[in-house]
Amino acid sequence: DAGITQSPRHKVTETGTPVTLRCHQTENHRYMYWYRQDPGHGLRLIHYSYGVKDTDKGEVSDGYSVSRSKTEDFLLTLESATSSQTSVYFCAIRPTTGRLAEAFFGQGTRLTVV
Amino acid sequence: DAKTTQPNSMESNEEEPVHLPCNHSTISGTDYIHWYRQLPSQGPEYVIHGLTSNVNNRMASLAIAEDRKSSTLILHRATLRDAAVYYCILRPQYNFNKFYFGSGTKLNVKP
Repeated sequence: DAGITQSPRHKVTETGTPVTLRCHQTENHRYMYWYRQDPGHGLRLIHYSYGVKDTDKGEVSDGYSVSRSKTEDFLLTLESATSSQTSVYFCAIRPTTGRLAEAFFGQGTRLTVV
Repeated sequence: DAKTTQPNSMESNEEEPVHLPCNHSTISGTDYIHWYRQLPSQGPEYVIHGLTSNVNNRMASLAIAEDRKSSTLILHRATLRDAAVYYCILRPQYNFNKFYFGSGTKLNVKP
């Protein structure tokens, strides 16, 4: 257990509603990431953060925003959910000392937009 | 970004070695080769990584071709718990944030 928790683990929401997913870590790592996983696409990077209030876009950032007001929390927001955002979302953290090459992933959040 | 090519699926017998190939013909001289795996209903987990030399750890071995255009992840004795999707990923030397997963290889292990 790498001290990373995602919430909720499962969510069903309606098209057009806002949704926020939370990633919480207890490791005090600087780098945090949000990925989505769809069948046939592996994992794709949405956004990442390299510190409090420091974030950047990944390869599939359209329709998503993120915020990081505390080191331990990285929030992913879908401002107006669409059916194409039905996916499994994974959060990851990465240390900046020691085992730099190893990212640790959460258990995932399964989001269904109906 | 350099891409990787892996077989969609492979099958192995329990307690036998498994060689999972990855082609990365457009790799640059400073790209690291990472392997992650994803067990069913879990997030990915780190397996091993390397640059030029072969690498060993408690989970697996990584054999890198001399021209670096391909690599092979070796599981020395497959167990049922090793059934997972294995991802081969290239990462630029100074950029840990460009970490793109492909579709991976689904490994089935038969008892």
